[in-house]
Amino acid sequence: EDQVTQSPEALRLQEGESSSLNCSYTVSGLRGLFWYRQDPGKGPEFLFTLYSAGEEKEKERLKATLTKKESFLHITAPKPEDSATYLCAVQPFGQAGTALIFGKGTTLSVSS
Amino acid sequence: DVKVTQSSRYLVKRTGEKVFLECVQDMDHENMFWYRQDPGLGLRLIYFSYDVKMKEKGDIPEGYSVSREKKERFSLILESASTNQTSMYLCASSPGGTGNTIYFGEGSWLTVV
Repeated sequence: EDQVTQSPEALRLQEGESSSLNCSYTVSGLRGLFWYRQDPGKGPEFLFTLYSAGEEKEKERLKATLTKKESFLHITAPKPEDSATYLCAVQPFGQAGTALIFGKGTTLSVSS
Repeated sequence: DVKVTQSSRYLVKRTGEKVFLECVQDMDHENMFWYRQDPGLGLRLIYFSYDVKMKEKGDIPEGYSVSREKKERFSLILESASTNQTSMYLCASSPGGTGNTIYFGEGSWLTVV
């Protein structure tokens, strides 16, 4: 069964304290891995798509990496405005309609 | 920018009522989706559509139906609302083909009393 597991469930950081969020996945074949940011009461906002092991993408203080079994979202020198829930999702081969399978998310809190 | 608009942000309905959640996208996307999001359970796929008048069941279709009469509009219907359908409902869309980004709306908070 295809599934996505994110860890930790919650993470508290001080401003400037770098860390990483983990997304491990089990799929029959990976078409793509997606990272989203979700603020309270809002819909998920797209961050990155990764397609193959070894691929990396960056946006401001965020960097996403991908291996054959997991993805990491590295947060460098975070600021309070980075506080949000970060969702990881996979699109397996054979998934009709290109729907995504989501993990339960990591809730990040950054304090000043 | 891609825009996915959900017509109602907050709704309160009574048990047994028929409920319509409307979603419109403005990017001519082929694929549209309805998810629900619950604490501790994450996002779960209810239905998706890859073309006008086409629909496929997701992981939790029971108690729901959908309608897609026009490409830009995808409606979620709760035929007889129940309290266990109290949730946040998220509509999304993506271009045709595979590996494309899925864009979400702001969500509709439904409370069934």
